Amino acid sequence: EIVLTQSPATVFLYPGERATLSCRASQSITNFLAWYQQRPGQAPRLLIYEASIRATGIPPRFSGSGSGTDFTLTISSLEPEDFAVYYCQQRGDWPVLSFGGGTKVEIK
Amino acid sequence: HVQLQESGPGLVKPSQTLSLTCTVSGDSVNSGRFYWTWFRQHPGKALEWIGYSYYSGATFYTPSLESRVTISLDTSRNQFSLRLKSVTAADTAVYHCARVGAYSEVRGDETWGQGTLVTVSS
Repeated sequence: EIVLTQSPATVFLYPGERATLSCRASQSITNFLAWYQQRPGQAPRLLIYEASIRATGIPPRFSGSGSGTDFTLTISSLEPEDFAVYYCQQRGDWPVLSFGGGTKVEIK
Repeated sequence: HVQLQESGPGLVKPSQTLSLTCTVSGDSVNSGRFYWTWFRQHPGKALEWIGYSYYSGATFYTPSLESRVTISLDTSRNQFSLRLKSVTAADTAVYHCARVGAYSEVRGDETWGQGTLVTVSS
């Protein structure tokens, strides 16, 4: 079973700041890593898949990088609607999917 | 515009079977482009993948639930369903249905339903 560890658990930032979120896999998943955003009371929304490809309709301030076991989601300049919880998900252990524990981005 | 909508009882008694339906509009569950998928989220916790069904009839389930879960497609109603038997309080969660891209070219069109809270309690 592949375990995903996200860090930090919570980060406090100002609007306009850059956010850097980390996800580490317990073994190599090549580039089969996705990122999701979940706002309170809403369904998760796919942001990034295959480590670096933006999903349909996702603004360019969201970017993903990494391969193997270490991955990063970067939000270049936080908008008010970006304060939410972010999850990484691996698809490298096909057909099993698993998620990390999440990182909450809070307003400072 | 694709929409997925979950429906089913919000309260299930322990040891009974949880049954949910996802109604799809704007796409066909008979499409080979997507896996028709169920996820859940325990209150205040991270997301959990339950399993998916494919138009070919193939199904895949998370190992921890495999003995209790069934996901099936109803192409005549353009719906798919989740059945989870012998539930306990640990199955209390928000359940989401979703279409998950089967290959890279459609992976970015993943779509989720809003979710429905199911509480297991006597």
